[in-house]
Amino acid sequence: EVQLVQSGGGMAQPGGSLRLSCAASGFTFSNYEINWVRQAPGKGLEWVSFISSTGSTISYADSVKGRFTFSRDHAKNSLYLQMNSLRVEDTAVYYCARRDYGYYGMDVWGQGTTVTVSS
Amino acid sequence: EIVLTQSPGTMTLSLGERATLSCRASQSVYSNYLAWYQQKPGQAPRLLVFGASNRATGIPDRFSGSGSGTDFTLTISRLEPEDFAVYYCQKYDISPRTFGQGTKLEIK
Repeated sequence: EVQLVQSGGGMAQPGGSLRLSCAASGFTFSNYEINWVRQAPGKGLEWVSFISSTGSTISYADSVKGRFTFSRDHAKNSLYLQMNSLRVEDTAVYYCARRDYGYYGMDVWGQGTTVTVSS
Repeated sequence: EIVLTQSPGTMTLSLGERATLSCRASQSVYSNYLAWYQQKPGQAPRLLVFGASNRATGIPDRFSGSGSGTDFTLTISRLEPEDFAVYYCQKYDISPRTFGQGTKLEIK
């Protein structure tokens, strides 16, 4: 079965750190870019970051640039979002999602993981 | 940064009616790299349309996407009960790959 399974998340204080994981199975991991998308409580979707299939290209939304780091481990078919200097406004459900090269959209999504930043 | 504006914010329609959702970009979207997603409460988004007009795998043919440049449309030809949800457009040509603010489709 093609799937992305997320783990990590939880609660942190402002200024703290968390790491999210996204494990891929059922497809050739190295053929797809992966995106992170988040959704604050009661709000719409916000694109956070993407990493290319090879890991050579990574891009971030301005809201997280310099604080979040996206990496992928091809040996483990896994991806990681290291979130540092967390802010209250980072509170959201975070989703990882795969996208094929070219004009394809994000067709497989993880189940989502909740991050709560509060003092 | 390109801004996507979806309209209307909320749409109230009856079963069997036609729904037309709009997504307007502040600048042209390169190669029509524009997707539509459906999201129901407590669920991850689901890809409906990519490349502005291509239905994703398994999506019923009552869903269709059209448009180019700065103006895009998602049409649902005959509303079924499971279609009432929130719909988002997203551009993914260059970063930032922004989403529109969403259109909530409610049942009358």
